[in-house]
Amino acid sequence: NAGVTQTPKFRILKIGQSMTLQCTQDMNHNYMYWYRQDPGMGLKLIYYSVGAGITDKGEVPNGYNVSRSTTEDFPLRLELAAPSQTSVYFCASRRLAGGGSTDTQYFGPGTRLTVL
Amino acid sequence: AQSVTQPDIHITVSEGASLELRCNYSYGATPYLFWYVQSPGQGLQLLLKYFSGDTLVQGIKGFEAEFKRSQSSFNLRKPSVHWSDAAEYFCALGGSGNTGKLIFGQGTTLQVKP
Repeated sequence: NAGVTQTPKFRILKIGQSMTLQCTQDMNHNYMYWYRQDPGMGLKLIYYSVGAGITDKGEVPNGYNVSRSTTEDFPLRLELAAPSQTSVYFCASRRLAGGGSTDTQYFGPGTRLTVL
Repeated sequence: AQSVTQPDIHITVSEGASLELRCNYSYGATPYLFWYVQSPGQGLQLLLKYFSGDTLVQGIKGFEAEFKRSQSSFNLRKPSVHWSDAAEYFCALGGSGNTGKLIFGQGTTLQVKP
């Protein structure tokens, strides 16, 4: 049971390049999330998904796109990289729990992205 | 508006000393509150959470937190800090809706002196 995995761990992009950050979970969780973490700012939600085929914007979606074709995968796409997207990106997942019992989000190890 | 504030950016304590990290929230209904810890270069690990019931919540690694509705606070405590506790700590707020979206505080970096 690997939990939430993210690839790559590190990446340097040039301005205007595109890339996809991969996220996979093997816990059969319905919910998945993408956050970015900037120094002194905590984590900000970019996009989230409540199940395969369903995605929605978070707090800071501009410049990003997502898709959710399977329960396991939730890739994050940067189409035209900008220096403002230099950040650490975390993927998380959460199961749909009945009765409001547990609501924990499980986080991946992160991807450190630098745009120059 | 929903928000989380962690007033202390950095805290330094001596090993063996007690620790309290502050967290204040703003939310119009019953909050779901979480404390996560992030070791350098790692993802976030859940320490503890509060949904309802007993306002004193026990977590992993000897941490506890107390929910005080009257003060809109959810402070994290540990009676005796170990050097391995040096990390960044995040308080997070979740609503009662099913989306599970979290709002994070800015984080508090804990340094432990030998």
